[in-house]
Formats: sequence, C-alpha cells, structure tokens
Amino acid sequence: AQSVTQPDIHITVSEGASLELRCNYSYGATPYLFWYVQSPGQGLQLLLKYFSGDTLVQGIKGFEAEFKRSQSSFNLRKPSVHWSDAAEYFCAVGTSGTYKYIFGTGTRLKVLA
Amino acid sequence: DAGVIQSPRHEVTEMGQEVTLRCKPISGHDYLFWYRQTMMRGLELLIYFNNNVPIDDSGMPEDRFSAKMPNASFSTLKIQPSEPRDSAVYFCASSFRVTGELFFGEGSRLTVL
Repeated sequence: AQSVTQPDIHITVSEGASLELRCNYSYGATPYLFWYVQSPGQGLQLLLKYFSGDTLVQGIKGFEAEFKRSQSSFNLRKPSVHWSDAAEYFCAVGTSGTYKYIFGTGTRLKVLA
Repeated sequence: DAGVIQSPRHEVTEMGQEVTLRCKPISGHDYLFWYRQTMMRGLELLIYFNNNVPIDDSGMPEDRFSAKMPNASFSTLKIQPSEPRDSAVYFCASSFRVTGELFFGEGSRLTVL
C-alpha cells in the first residue's frame, strides 16, 4: 500500500536561511509526487509536482524538490526562506489513473525574524 | 477567476443535528473531491466525482455521511445525524482531467457539540 512519511512535525528556521523538508514514500512503481502548502485558515495550494522526467522540479515561490528513487524521497528545498513562507507543508503521493492521493501528516514551518 | 467556493466557512451545531456543507468547483473542472482534515488523522479523501458521478466513496466514514453532485457546478456533503467526532475541517477540491493539480477551497470548519 502507498504511504507517505514526513518525519519532521515542526521545523524552525531563521529568515534568510536555507530550508529542506523531508518526504519519504512507499510505492512499488514510479509515483506521482506533490508538495502543497497550507497557510492558516486556508486551503492547500500546489507548490510543485513530479510525474516523470527531470528529477529536479521547480515550483512556485522559489521552491524546488528532487525525486530520488534510490532513497524513495522527494524533499522540498528553498535556498533562502522568507517570513511569508511560514505555513504547513504537505507531501502527497498518487498513482496514474486514480486520484487516491495519500497525504503526509504535514510539517509546520516557523520562520524567525 | 473564482476558485473553489465552500460554504459555510464555520458551522457549530449540536450532536444529532443535520449538517450540509456546500461546494462550487472551478468552472470547467470535471473532478470534484471532498477531504476531511483532523489533527489525529490528517487529510483524508472521503469521496470524489467525475462528471458529477461518484467514482470512489470508500473513504466515507459511515452511512451518516452522504455526498451528491446534482450538476457540474454544485456539490453537497451531508452528515445526518452529526456526532462530536465529526468535528473537523472539510475541504472541497476540484481538478480538470488528469492534470494532477487539485485546487482546494478554503474549507468548512465544523464543530459538533
């Protein structure tokens, strides 16, 4: 069965510092992988997605993620965090032909001024 | 363009009452999803529709929950009778074909006393 693990529940970084949020998945074939962001009181917004091809994916707001099949990981990165990046981040995995996406439990990011 | 519109944003009700949550998807989208978000269980897919037809309702917790999509621009999620354990944020999302991107509404926060 598919599963997604986000090992970090909370992460705190200083503004301007680099960021990496971890995501590990369990799936037999090549999955569809996503990162979403949720600001307080809001719905989820797609940051980026990976279906196939180049394993380094660029997203909105300066985020990128790298698919590493050997490590079953899809970590999200940003070189310099802004205070407005404080939010909760969700990794999700899906399969072709179905919308039964599995979401991770989320990582809450706090940014220190 | 308007995004996914959900109503009400907040609902407080007493145990045993009927609750109806509403969703207007993005015009032209042919998939509609209902998710539930809680601290304990994270984000769970309840049901999804394609062209107004329910495709998979295996995530609906029990018979107290029902969802309908009478036309392409409207869907409801009904809970009858409601129980305190139904307290959660319910999200509606829509998508156009198999693009992989879900567009989420801002959610309906339900509190059952």
